Order: sequence, then C-alpha cells, then structure tokens
Amino acid sequence: SFVLTQPPSVSVAPGKTARISCGGDKIAETGVHWYQHKPGQAPLLVIYYDSDRPSGIPERFSGSKSGNTATLTISRVEAGDEADYYCQVWDPSSDHVFGTGTKVTVL
Amino acid sequence: QVHLVQSGAEVKKPGASVKVSCEASGYTFTSYALHWVRQAPGQRLEWMGWINTGTGNAKYSQNFQGRVIITRDTSASTAYMELSSLRSVDTAVYYCARAAKGSSGYFLYYFDNWGQGTLVTVPS
Repeated sequence: SFVLTQPPSVSVAPGKTARISCGGDKIAETGVHWYQHKPGQAPLLVIYYDSDRPSGIPERFSGSKSGNTATLTISRVEAGDEADYYCQVWDPSSDHVFGTGTKVTVL
Repeated sequence: QVHLVQSGAEVKKPGASVKVSCEASGYTFTSYALHWVRQAPGQRLEWMGWINTGTGNAKYSQNFQGRVIITRDTSASTAYMELSSLRSVDTAVYYCARAAKGSSGYFLYYFDNWGQGTLVTVPS
C-alpha cells in the first residue's frame, strides 16, 4: 500500500525556517495536503493541494513539491508552531493516506 | 462557523462495540461528506472510512472492513461511527472530519474541519 515517509523530528530556533519533507511513490501524481496537530486538539489544515493556504493560515506556512517529495516550509518559526505535522494524499488504491508525522520542536 | 462536536470518551471491554457521534453545525449537513480518522497512541493518523451524508452511502478502509459501520441521521445533523469486536489495539482518539468541497460541487480529497476527538479505551 501507499506509504508516505516524513522525518520523525525537526528542531528549529525561533525566527528561523523549518522544512518538513514528505516522500512517497506517486506523490508527483497527486495533491499533497498538510495538517498541524497539537496535543489534545483537532488537526488543523495548513496547506492543501501542494501549496494552497486556507484562509486564516499565516503566510509563514507554504508548501511545494518536486518529483515524489513534498515540502512544508514554516518561515519565521514561532513557539506556537510547535506541533506534529502530517502530510496526506488520496490514492485510488489506498484511499486516504497520512504520513508518518514530524514533530517540530522550537528550541 | 463550522462546528463538529463529538461524543465523550468511552471505555469498552475487549469484544464489545463502540458508537461515536459527530454533530455538525454551521453548514448544510447533507452537502458535505464526513470521514472518520483515528490516532492510536504514538501512531500516525489512520483513515477509517467516509459517508456521503446526502445519500447515506458509506465506504470503508480495507483495514476496518467488516468491523466498522458509518451512518448518519440527517434530522439530527449527526454522523456515527460504530466499531465492533474491539481489541486493545483499537485504543485511540477517533476524529470526524469534513471533506472540503470544490466550487463545482465535487468532494475534494482533504479535510477542512475536524471534530475535537473522542478517546476510546479498550483495556487489555
């Protein structure tokens, strides 16, 4: 089945840039979506279809894709960005698949 | 404003069933699909299935086929997820999530609103 691989953790100093990758076969052929998930809260959509940002999400959050790797970039990181981040795609054979998740720690 | 409010935490014995509800408000219930996603402790999010709230048709992940049933009550703007034959590995937080919708009216493949989650505990 479809597997999406993310780095387990990313550490970043406040004000710097965090980049979270999401790799998997066929990513190039489908839209990638990103969620921020804080403990005890509902997941929050931060990027959809590779690079579109929902209303209310700061411009500091951006997405890109190259080949079979998608990247979520958080610029000017703030303490409030500390969370788990998941990528997600839809595949006809696997339906909705989430990535392994990346814990972002703000130093 | 869209709200998805889920039922409270449950503790179930192995072999039992659990039914979690998700009450929607702030939009036309039958115009958007609802999905169910769970997260076991330390694990990734896992998609379970979805229901077309307009038609009542549901589709399930192969990982839960035969054990999960998703239904809805349009008069109550509420969707339900029932999971049977519970095991300790089913201990997880269960979320309902609304599928986004495009301007053409088709359901999109991401989730724009989520419920607050329901903890289901199945002691071993």
